[in-house]
Amino acid sequence: EGVLTQSPGTLSLSPGERATLSCRASQSVSTYLAWYQQKPGQPPRLLIYGASSRATGIPDRFSGSGSGTDFTLTISRLEPEDFAVYYCQQYGSEFGPGTRVDVK
Amino acid sequence: EVQLVESGGGLVQPGGSLRLSCAASGFNFSTYWMAWVRQAPGKGLEWVAKIHLDGSDKYYADSVKGRFTISRDNAKNSLNLQMDNLRAEDTAVYYCARDHPSGWSLGCWGQGTLVTVSS
Repeated sequence: EGVLTQSPGTLSLSPGERATLSCRASQSVSTYLAWYQQKPGQPPRLLIYGASSRATGIPDRFSGSGSGTDFTLTISRLEPEDFAVYYCQQYGSEFGPGTRVDVK
Repeated sequence: EVQLVESGGGLVQPGGSLRLSCAASGFNFSTYWMAWVRQAPGKGLEWVAKIHLDGSDKYYADSVKGRFTISRDNAKNSLNLQMDNLRAEDTAVYYCARDHPSGWSLGCWGQGTLVTVSS
C-alpha cells in the first residue's frame, strides 16, 4: 500500500465558510478511502466511508468525493463544532498526516 | 449501544512487555474485523494492526511487525494486543476500533488507553 498526503496542513477559516480538504494517495485506492474527525481528548469519529458515503448521524454539510488517488472532503458551511483535525485513511489501514481546521 | 473499552495501559521500561485488552459489547463481535490504532502525544493517528473475524488473518504496520501480536477471543468478546520489546517511540494512546459494516473503515472507537515506555 502507498502513502497518503493531506493538504493543507492547517486551514484557517471563519464559521459559515466553506472548507475544502485534500487527500492524495501515492497509488490508486479505488474508493477505499475514509475520513475522520478528531477533537482534543476524544477518539476519532468516522465521517465518510467509501470515499463519498456519510456515516450514520453525520450532518449533510459534510461531503466526500474522489476516486483513485485524489480525494476531497468538503464542509459546506463551518459550524463552531467543526473546528478539529481531519484524517483520511486508505483500506481501513494507513492514515494521512491530518489537516487541522482552526478558527481564523 | 456499541461499546469498546480498552484496558492494560501503563508505564513500562524499554524492552519490556505489555498486554492490552479491549472489551466489546452491544454488537455481534465475531462478525467484525477489529483493529488497534495508536496516537503518540501531540501526533497523528497511526494504524497498528487488524484481525479477521475469526482471527485467521492478521496484518501489522511495519513499525510493530515482529514485536506486537493481535489476537481475539470471540467467546469472550475480547480483542488483545501483546506488545513485546517496547521502545520509547511506542509511547501513545492505543485505541481499539471496530470495522464499519461496509468494511475498509473504522466505524466505532474506544476511548483509548495510554502506554508510556520510559526508564
